[in-house]
Amino acid sequence: AQTVTQSQPEMSVQEAETVTLSCTYDTSESDYYLFWYKQPPSRQMILVIRQEAYKQQNATENRFSVNFQKAAKSFSLKISDSQLGDAAMYFCAYRSAFNNAGNMLTFGGGTRLMVKP
Amino acid sequence: NAGVMQNPRHLVRRRGQEARLRCSPMKGHSHVYWYRQLPEEGLKFMVYLQKENIIDESGMPKERFSAEFPKEGPSILRIQQVVRGDSAAYFCASSTGQGGNTIYFGEGSWLTVV
Repeated sequence: AQTVTQSQPEMSVQEAETVTLSCTYDTSESDYYLFWYKQPPSRQMILVIRQEAYKQQNATENRFSVNFQKAAKSFSLKISDSQLGDAAMYFCAYRSAFNNAGNMLTFGGGTRLMVKP
Repeated sequence: NAGVMQNPRHLVRRRGQEARLRCSPMKGHSHVYWYRQLPEEGLKFMVYLQKENIIDESGMPKERFSAEFPKEGPSILRIQQVVRGDSAAYFCASSTGQGGNTIYFGEGSWLTVV
């Protein structure tokens, strides 16, 4: 079974600065997908960014980018030019690419990000 | 294109009552997932359904919990004889299929058992 670990329960960043959230995972599969979801105080789960394991290039979405290290099974999220609206819980998630391996997302325990004005 | 719709958003039940949570997937999505989030914890997978079929229920408690996704109508997560430990946020999500298809979440249903 796959596991996802987020070792930072809480992080804080100054507005306009850059912060990196860590995520590691454990799997024996070679093909999979990785995601970062944001959960603001409204509690809705919002997809921030996704990465296909077969792609070497790191995904980027505006101020959000990832550092995907497949060999190390590491998938960190970098938020540049942090804004007050970035304050939320951030969850890293794994999903198998194989149809017979289950189709669910496996989530890490989350990192609470606080943004200081 | 409406997103994943869940209702009710908030539900209060007394111990021993039944709770029914409904989920309408995004238009064109035939795969539905239910997750549970306890306070201050991450989301835990419960069940994965396609129309009229339960594909994976490995995360469902063995008793009192059931789920369905009928040919017509929303998916239903049913909790019988609720206990205080069932108090949680229940999220529904949907997708078009497996693998890399993005899973979209609803806004969640908050169950409080008093």
